[in-house]
Formats: sequence, structure tokens, C-alpha cells
Amino acid sequence: AQSVTQPDIHITVSEGASLELRCNYSYGATPYLFWYVQSPGQGLQLLLKYFSGDTLVQGIKGFEAEFKRSQSSFNLRKPSVHWSDAAEYFCAVGARTGANNLFFGTGTRLTVIP
Amino acid sequence: DTGVSQDPRHKITKRGQNVTFRCDPISEHNRLYWYRQTLGQGPEFLTYFQNEAQLEKSRLLSDRFSAERPKGSFSTLEIQRTEQGDSAMYLCASSLAGGAETQYFGPGTRLLVL
Repeated sequence: AQSVTQPDIHITVSEGASLELRCNYSYGATPYLFWYVQSPGQGLQLLLKYFSGDTLVQGIKGFEAEFKRSQSSFNLRKPSVHWSDAAEYFCAVGARTGANNLFFGTGTRLTVIP
Repeated sequence: DTGVSQDPRHKITKRGQNVTFRCDPISEHNRLYWYRQTLGQGPEFLTYFQNEAQLEKSRLLSDRFSAERPKGSFSTLEIQRTEQGDSAMYLCASSLAGGAETQYFGPGTRLLVL
């Protein structure tokens, strides 16, 4: 069965500090991988995605993520966090064939302190 | 490209009433997805359409839930005889089928059942 684990429910970082949000998945094959961000009361905005090729992918707002097949992980990173990055972050996996519905983790809430 | 839109953004209803939500996808997208998000959780897949065909509906939460996409453009999600447990954010996403598919989400409809 497919599952996505985001082990950190809540992370607090200082503005300007680096950030890493963890994501592990369980899937029958290598899935498509996504990170979305959600501000309070809003829909989800795509940050970045991995389909194939280079395992280090760049996204919007200075975010990047690295796919590690051996660890079934797709961790999100940012070298210097801004106060506007405070939000909920969701990792998701999708199938490469058939129905492409996404399976989401439970999210990590990021708080940024000045 | 005006993005995915959803209407209404908020809905308050009394238990036992029927509600209907609308989603307008990105114009050239042929796939449309519905998800439900409860507090503190990631989105949960409900159903999806390719053009006007509903290709997956086994994840709809009960027979009180139904969805349509009559002309392959906008879609509606109806909940009959609402229950307090139906209170959630209902998210719509659209995509272009084929290859590396990316889903783009609308702002969601927040439902509160009293």
C-alpha cells in the first residue's frame, strides 16, 4: 500500500537559518514525487516535482529537494528561510501509470521566528 | 491561465441539508480531481475525471457523495444529507493527462456542518 510519512509535525526555525523537511514514502515502484505548500485557509501551491533524471530538483522560492531511491526519501531544503515561508508543507507521491491521484503526507507546519 | 477556481469558498450548512460545490479547472486541462482535507491532515483523494468520464469513484466516502463533469469542463461535487463529520476543506485540482502529470490546486471550499 502507498504511504507518505512526514515525521516532523511542527518545525520552528529562525529567519535566515537553513531548513530541511523530511519525507519518506512507501510505494510499489518509483513514483512521481511532489512538494506542495499551503498557507492558512488556502489551496496548495506546487513547490517542485521529481519525475526522472537529476535527483536534485530545484523549485520556486529557493527550495530544492533530493530524491534518494535507496532511502525512499524526498527531503525538502532551503538554505536561508524567510518569514514568508511560514506555512504547511506537504509531500506527495503519484503513480506513473493509470490513475494519477496523489497520496499526501500529514504535513509539516513551519514556524519562522525573527 | 487563470488557475483553478472553486465556488463557494466557504459554506455553512445545517446537518441534513444538501450542498453542491463547483470547480472550474485550467481551461486546457482534461483531468479534474477532487480531494478532501480535514484539520491537521493532508488531502485525501475522492474521485477524478478525464474529460467527462469519471474514471475512479471508489474512494468517495459514502453514497451521499457524488460528482459530475457533464461537458468535460467544470465539475460539481454534491454531498447529500450532510453530517457534522463532513466538515472539511474540499479541494479541486486539474491536470493535463499523459507523461509527467502535474496537478494544480484551487483555493478550496471550506464546509462547516452545524
